[in-house]
Amino acid sequence: KNEVEQSPQNLTAQEGEFITINCSYSVGISALHWLQQHPGGGIVSLFMLSSGKKKHGRLIATINIQEKHSSLHITASHPRDSAVYICAVNRAHYGGSQGNLIFGKGTKLSVKP
Amino acid sequence: SQTIHQWPATLVQPVGSPLSLECTVEGTSNPNLYWYRQAAGRGLQLLFYSVGIGQISSEVPQNLSASRPQDRQFILSSKKLLLSDSGFYLCAWSPPRQLRFTDTQYFGPGTRLTVL
Repeated sequence: KNEVEQSPQNLTAQEGEFITINCSYSVGISALHWLQQHPGGGIVSLFMLSSGKKKHGRLIATINIQEKHSSLHITASHPRDSAVYICAVNRAHYGGSQGNLIFGKGTKLSVKP
Repeated sequence: SQTIHQWPATLVQPVGSPLSLECTVEGTSNPNLYWYRQAAGRGLQLLFYSVGIGQISSEVPQNLSASRPQDRQFILSSKKLLLSDSGFYLCAWSPPRQLRFTDTQYFGPGTRLTVL
């Protein structure tokens, strides 16, 4: 079982819909990241969270440390939001042997006009 | 403002050939630098990180190596490529202070490597 699981793997939405992408993790963490990977491959960091909620434009990210779960929400979705969204976590106790930053496999979002 | 460059953008190499991917960062000094690989259908994997010139930490044993000859230059190399080295390689940087993996990392545009 992967230490970081995202759902769904693929998501198709109509323009204007409210979108939720989920991330669950099984290790102790010090922070969680949401990243956006565009079709050409470049990655943009959207949020870094250690608690609570952050908002940037139409994007909202929340984290529940007790439940080991985070969600990324997109309000009023638009075709330009189409991308792969990746969740990544920082291990809380980094031993240096396995790599501190653990990534999920991503959620591919397609927003249709 | 800070910018990060990677080249080449795409690369097709035969098995057994050498590899050199370059990453440079502008607008900051002494950044922490990272190399990641994203194999097809898989998540990103941290390969190497560096806190300073000549200081490289390897996260995954493989036939790749990294070097940091200058403060803002990070190079990923291989003497002999394998088919399994195909993937998308990303360089990233984070703020220049004691290494903290909780800092947001800023990614370059990536290099798509195909080994035939």
